[in-house]
Amino acid sequence: DAGVTQSPTHLIKTRGQQVTLRCSPKSGHDTVSWYQQALGQGPQFIFQYYEEEERQRGNFPDRFSGHQFPNYSSELNVNALLLGDSALYLCASSLYRYGEEETQYFGPGTRLLVL
Amino acid sequence: AQSVTQLDSHVSVSEGTPVLLRCNYSSSYSPSLFWYVQHPNKGLQLLLKYTSAATLVKGINGFEAEFKKSETSFHLTKPSAHMSDAAEYFCVVSDLGGGSYIPTFGRGTSLIVHP
Repeated sequence: DAGVTQSPTHLIKTRGQQVTLRCSPKSGHDTVSWYQQALGQGPQFIFQYYEEEERQRGNFPDRFSGHQFPNYSSELNVNALLLGDSALYLCASSLYRYGEEETQYFGPGTRLLVL
Repeated sequence: AQSVTQLDSHVSVSEGTPVLLRCNYSSSYSPSLFWYVQHPNKGLQLLLKYTSAATLVKGINGFEAEFKKSETSFHLTKPSAHMSDAAEYFCVVSDLGGGSYIPTFGRGTSLIVHP
């Protein structure tokens, strides 16, 4: 049973560029969440996708956008990159159950460096 | 709004001695609480979770945590530390405050294990 997978593992970009990160959820999961983890910090919630729509969003600017595909995989796009966007980007998947807690399972992350 | 405070940024123990990682939380609802572990350059692994069942929760690798509502705490313990336990540990709270369960992470506690 494949867990959550993310690609690429590492990425180097320059300021102003755009980046796309990809995530495949754990088998049987239908919800994907994205987090940004800066060095020495805990992960910060960016947004969550369910049924191909953004269900919840954290305190991140519109430069951060996403998409979920019919097979539940997801992309995170960041436009106009800033130096401060350098971080580990984590994807987590879960199974939606109305009114119930959804345990999230995390991928290994994509480490983004903006120069 | 939910929040979580990990009371120690670093904890240092000797191999074979007990481990205590402290976590306090704040939630306006009945929260779910989690502990995740992150080894260097790895993703987050779920250690254990509390979801309103037994207050003493047993997890993987000999870890356990006790939910104490009166103290709003969810401390992580292990009777005997192993060198392989050296990692970053995150306490997480999640409730229905925003209409769906979105986890809030603590800043993390770095566990150092000396031989």
